[in-house]
Amino acid sequence: AQTVTQSQPEMSVQEAETVTLSCTYDTSESDYYLFWYKQPPSRQMILVIRQEAYKQQNATENRFSVNFQKAAKSFSLKISDSQLGDAAMYFCAYRSVLTSGTYKYIFGTGTRLKVLA
Amino acid sequence: EPEVTQTPSHQVTQMGQEVILRCVPISNHLYFYWYRQILGQKVEFLVSFYNNEISEKSEIFDDQFSVERPDGSNFTLKIRSTKLEDSAMYFCASSEYGPGMGEQFFGPGTRLTVL
Repeated sequence: AQTVTQSQPEMSVQEAETVTLSCTYDTSESDYYLFWYKQPPSRQMILVIRQEAYKQQNATENRFSVNFQKAAKSFSLKISDSQLGDAAMYFCAYRSVLTSGTYKYIFGTGTRLKVLA
Repeated sequence: EPEVTQTPSHQVTQMGQEVILRCVPISNHLYFYWYRQILGQKVEFLVSFYNNEISEKSEIFDDQFSVERPDGSNFTLKIRSTKLEDSAMYFCASSEYGPGMGEQFFGPGTRLTVL
C-alpha cells in the first residue's frame, strides 16, 4: 500500500526567505501523481502544485517549485520569497487509482508553515 | 471561481445520534469523495461516488456510513449512530474527471464533535 510521510510537523521562515518542506512516499507503481495542497486556517485545501511521475522535469508554479526525486521517492516543496499569506498547513498527497477506476488521495500528516514578519 | 461548499461548518451531536453532513460539489463535476481527518492525524479516504453509486470505499466506511446524492446537487454523508471516535473533520471533494488529469477540489470541511 502507498504511504506518504511528512517528517516536519512545523516549519518557520522569515518573510522573503526560502523554505523547503519535505515529503517522502512509498509505492510500487511506476506512473502516479503527486500533489502539494495548502490549507489556510479555517479554509479549504487549495492545490499548490502537481507533479506527474512520468515527467522528469520538476513542476514550478510561480514562487512554488518541487524537487521530485523518483528513485528516492522524495517530493519536496520549495517556497521562494515567502509571504505572510503563505502561512498555512501544507499537505503532500499521492494519488492512487482504485480498482473501480476512480481514485483517492493518500495524504501526509501535514507541515504547519509559519511566516515571520 | 467555483468552490465546493459544506454545511454545517461545525456539528455537535450526542453519541448514538444520526448526523448528515452536506456538500455541494462543483456543478459540472461527476466524481465525489469524502475524507476525514481525526485531530492531529492524517487525512483519510472514506468513499468515492460516481454515477449515483459508490465506486470504492475504505475499511473505515462501515455499515454506519452511507452516502447519497439526493437531488442532483447535494452530496451527503450520513452516520447512523455516531460514536466518540467519529469526531473528526470531514472533507468533501469533487472532480470533473476520473483518473487522468482530474484534480480533486476540496470543501472547507465540517468539524463533527461527538459527545
